[in-house]
Amino acid sequence: KQEVTQIPAALSVPEGENLVLNCSFTDSAIYNLQWFRQDPGKGLTSLLLIQSSQREQTSGRLNASLDKSSGRSTLYIAASQPGDSATYLCAPDSTDKLIFGTGTRLQVFP
Amino acid sequence: DTEVTQTPKHLVMGMTNKKSLKCEQHMGHRAMYWYKQKAKKPPELMFVYSYEKLSINESVPSRFSPECPNSSLLNLHLHALQPEDSALYLCASSAQLADNEQFFGPGTRLTVL
Repeated sequence: KQEVTQIPAALSVPEGENLVLNCSFTDSAIYNLQWFRQDPGKGLTSLLLIQSSQREQTSGRLNASLDKSSGRSTLYIAASQPGDSATYLCAPDSTDKLIFGTGTRLQVFP
Repeated sequence: DTEVTQTPKHLVMGMTNKKSLKCEQHMGHRAMYWYKQKAKKPPELMFVYSYEKLSINESVPSRFSPECPNSSLLNLHLHALQPEDSALYLCASSAQLADNEQFFGPGTRLTVL
C-alpha cells in the first residue's frame, strides 16, 4: 500500500527565500507524480506533473525533481512571495489512483 | 476550457435529506473522480469513472451513490448521511484513467446536521 509523507509539515519564511519541500513515497512503481497547491477551503490547483521517466519539471519559479528508485520528490520554490502561502500536496499516481501526502503548510510573510 | 465546475459551493442537509452534488467538465476527459477531504487532512479517493463506467469504488458506504450520465457530467447522490460525512467533496477529471494529469474543481463544502 502506497504511503506518502511530506516534510516539513509547516514552514514560515520571509519573502525572497528559496524553499525546498520534500515528499517521500514507499512504492516506487508509479506512473507519475503531481504537485498541487491548495488555498484554505478551496480546490486543488495542479502545479507540476513529472512522468516516471523524467528527472525534473519546471514551471516559472517552481522546479520539481523525482528520484523514483529512492521514492523521493522535491519541490523547489525560488524567490518566495506572500502569494505562495498555501498548502502544498504531492501525489504519486500508482494503480490508477493518486495517493496524497500529508501536505506542507507554507506561510510567506512580507 | 480547462475548468472543472462543481455545484453547489455549499450544502447544508439534515440526516434524512436526499441531495446531489454535480460536477462538470468540457475538456473531453474520459476519467472522472470523487474525493472527500476532511479538515486539515489530504483528499481521499472515493470513486473513479472511466468512459462512464464505475472503475474504482474505495469501499464507500452505500449512502453515497455516484452516477456518470455522460462523459462530461458526474453526480454524487447523498442519502441518510451522518454528521461525520461533513467535509469538502472534490471532483477531478483526467484525459484517461492512468498516467494523466488530474484537474480539480473548487469543491462542495457539505455540512450534515
